[in-house]
Amino acid sequence: GQQLNQSPQSMFIQEGEDVSMNCTSSSIFNTWLWYKQDPGEGPVLLIALYKAGELTSNGRLTAQFGITRKDSFLNISASIPSDVGIYFCAGQTDAGNMLTFGGGTRLMVKP
Amino acid sequence: ETGVTQTPRHLVMGMTNKKSLKCEQHLGHNAMYWYKQSAKKPLELMFVYNFKEQTENNSVPSRFSPECPNSSHLFLHLHTLQPEDSALYLCASSQEVRRIYGYTFGSGTRLTVV
Repeated sequence: GQQLNQSPQSMFIQEGEDVSMNCTSSSIFNTWLWYKQDPGEGPVLLIALYKAGELTSNGRLTAQFGITRKDSFLNISASIPSDVGIYFCAGQTDAGNMLTFGGGTRLMVKP
Repeated sequence: ETGVTQTPRHLVMGMTNKKSLKCEQHLGHNAMYWYKQSAKKPLELMFVYNFKEQTENNSVPSRFSPECPNSSHLFLHLHTLQPEDSALYLCASSQEVRRIYGYTFGSGTRLTVV
């Protein structure tokens, strides 16, 4: 089946630093989604990408749909303590197929 | 509040107990999902319902039994579980299976089997 390799698995950074994480796959995806899961809660959708090469921002978050359609990137600028959580990428190949989730990146921010 | 409500938030049950997890969505969605989230593992899809019909059973053991009486409600009935079934169980919904606008997740039920 399809697999999404998400890296890094965890990051421990200083408040104010920028963060980058990515997802790669051997399969082509037509939709990429990025979710954040706060401790004790379910994942919440941050950004959705529907077109190869698309670059979309949501506040301090910016995500890109890779031109090969096999990868996606999420950047967080000027991190703050409330950015702590687990970030998941998810991809969909074609309409009618389930989302495939990456393993998550656990972000910890030191004040 | 995401529009997807799961109850209870926490559940501790013995291996011989029978319990049920409940999920309710107020978003007008037609597809509902059960996911299992264990420590250090990716989200595992368990069941998918589209317009009340089960369309996916991802090789889930029969001790987990889903029920979808209507498009707004989804249950997961549990019986004779094992300690390794302890996990966060997440419910999600979407407009319908064949179109992706992103899944909306509930806050989950933290299940501990003792």
